[in-house]
Amino acid sequence: NAGVTQTPKFRVLKTGQSMTLLCAQDMNHEYMYWYRQDPGMGLRLIHYSVGEGTTAKGEVPDGYNVSRLKKQNFLLGLESAAPSQTSVYFCASSYSTGKGPQHFGDGTRLSIL
Amino acid sequence: RKEVEQDPGPFNVPEGATVAFNCTYSNSASQSFFWYRQDCRKEPKLLMSVYSSGNEDGRFTAQLNRASQYISLLIRDSKLSDSATYLCVVFSSGTYKYIFGTGTRLKVLA
Repeated sequence: NAGVTQTPKFRVLKTGQSMTLLCAQDMNHEYMYWYRQDPGMGLRLIHYSVGEGTTAKGEVPDGYNVSRLKKQNFLLGLESAAPSQTSVYFCASSYSTGKGPQHFGDGTRLSIL
Repeated sequence: RKEVEQDPGPFNVPEGATVAFNCTYSNSASQSFFWYRQDCRKEPKLLMSVYSSGNEDGRFTAQLNRASQYISLLIRDSKLSDSATYLCVVFSSGTYKYIFGTGTRLKVLA
């Protein structure tokens, strides 16, 4: 039971570099989410998707882009990484929104130097 | 005022103790409630959903008080393995988003 899988697990980037974080779920969930978690703060929603081909902005979308070309995958892109984007990133999915819980991947620890 | 508020703790309790956490929410249109557990530097894991009538799962009991807009989590007979951060999550139909509290840290001491 893979559930929600995130790759990579760790990454160190230099300021200005780009990268893509991949989230894959095998539960046939419609909804997928990207969060970031910083010390002393709750999880903050970056972007989310309510289905294949659709995405929407969350609470802190600036500096990030996303794509959901396939139902099972949700990609988070950093076009030009900044030190302020150093964080732990969690992907989550849910069968429906609100009626059921979210299931989380084990996170990507990203450091921007 | 934050949409979801929790006492950050830490709550330091001895093994075998009973401990309770509260979480308050500001949006009266909130419709779904959850407790998650998060171990240091790991992903949040669902502990239990919170139902209107209250619900129990082993040593864990969750309650919802809509009138006062809070949910609670009671842990009986605390184990060392219960040491973690407990996150309160609220879903509001108005925003269609899950809102996370910043978590309450629990340390169970031998």
